[in-house]
Amino acid sequence: QKEVEQNSGPLSVPEGAIASLNCTYSDRVSQSFFWYRQYSGKSPELIMSIYSNGDKEDGRFTAQLNKASQYVSLLIRDSQPSDSATYLCAVNSGGSNYKLTFGKGTLLTVNP
Amino acid sequence: GAVVSQHPSRVICKSGTSVKIECRSLDFQATTMFWYRQFPKQSLMLMATSNEGSKATYEQGVEKDKFLINHASLTLSTLTVTSAHPEDSSFYICSANPGLAGRDTQYFGPGTRLTVL
Repeated sequence: QKEVEQNSGPLSVPEGAIASLNCTYSDRVSQSFFWYRQYSGKSPELIMSIYSNGDKEDGRFTAQLNKASQYVSLLIRDSQPSDSATYLCAVNSGGSNYKLTFGKGTLLTVNP
Repeated sequence: GAVVSQHPSRVICKSGTSVKIECRSLDFQATTMFWYRQFPKQSLMLMATSNEGSKATYEQGVEKDKFLINHASLTLSTLTVTSAHPEDSSFYICSANPGLAGRDTQYFGPGTRLTVL
């Protein structure tokens, strides 16, 4: 069974700090990796996708992928209180139906 | 780009009634749409995968006769909760995939909060 594991948190960081969110996955043939942000009572919002080993930066967000170790991480620089949310890691292991396997999410709290 | 809408955003109904939820991709064609359910403080649970013009594929444990899915066009999928009961009260969220253009990225609608009295 394909699994995606995340630390449920809560992860608490002070405003301005770097928040580091981690995710591991079980299916070695996984090809596509996503980070979504979900505010309480709202639906998930795509933050980043990453497909190749290494880092991918978009503004304050950096996704890191290491396929050999089967982990993907998300760094949030200069964390803001508005970043407080649950962050979902999602993995696609291939196949024609584009189905994603989601982790249970990490709750991030950024303290002013 | 990649906007997905859902209607209604909130619905309250009596036990035994049926409720239809629409999911539309507004600025792209979605070869595949997905329906999720999320209970309070719990993770997303995939209910079914919907492909345009074909029958939906339901996840294990999801009753296909209770949750009817129709994907009639490349921009519209509907979920009908038949004979709803209080235990069906949940947050229902759809997502859409643009196909080859967007690889396997899923874009989520804003969700529909269903309350069954």
